[in-house]
Amino acid sequence: DTGVSQNPRHKITKRGQNVTFRCDPISEHNRLYWYRQTLGQGPEFLTYFQNEAQLEKSRLLSDRFSAERPKGSFSTLEIQRTEQGDSAMYLCASSLGTGVGETQYFGPGTRLLVL
Amino acid sequence: GQQVMQIPQYQHVQEGEDFTTYCNSSTTLSNIQWYKQRPGGHPVFLIQLVKSGEVKKQKRLTFQFGEAKKNSSLHITATQTTDVGTYFCAGPQFSNSGYALNFGKGTSLLVTP
Repeated sequence: DTGVSQNPRHKITKRGQNVTFRCDPISEHNRLYWYRQTLGQGPEFLTYFQNEAQLEKSRLLSDRFSAERPKGSFSTLEIQRTEQGDSAMYLCASSLGTGVGETQYFGPGTRLLVL
Repeated sequence: GQQVMQIPQYQHVQEGEDFTTYCNSSTTLSNIQWYKQRPGGHPVFLIQLVKSGEVKKQKRLTFQFGEAKKNSSLHITATQTTDVGTYFCAGPQFSNSGYALNFGKGTSLLVTP
């Protein structure tokens, strides 16, 4: 399967713990995005990378959240000191970087539950 | 900031009936994209509209972009049970980069046989 993959698919954690999610984009895609989706809502943008550079961040991305894409390939999203409000589906998407409005391909997501 | 709103939030139709969802933006969009998310699944790209007044068709699906590039619609003719899911429109998140997407809340379609 050459699509976007995310691990783990599900994560249950206790409030205050740190969690880290991984996203492996489609191999030739240079742009990578993280979104968060809660029940009944559309995906909300968190942050975006072009190669290894983090170029955009949403105000939703508090200082407890950090994302990296060290070699311009896979990316990690870490949430420190998790809160119950962090419970959501975290979606990763990638695109080829041909210009504005390019198709984004989404991974299956990591569903986080904070108890 | 820019908002993208969709109506209706839910739609329940009998198989064979038509379905339309509408998307409205508070600002002019350079482009608009439509995604479908099946229950338990992830968003899957359907189409992108760029030109004012553009109409595109994919089999039973017809997509329109308004003349002012502030609204769009998706119409499904003769729905089938395979059309079940949530349909999202999305515009550029930032006017200066346009790469990240700003999604509407979606319209959930339920089709009963």
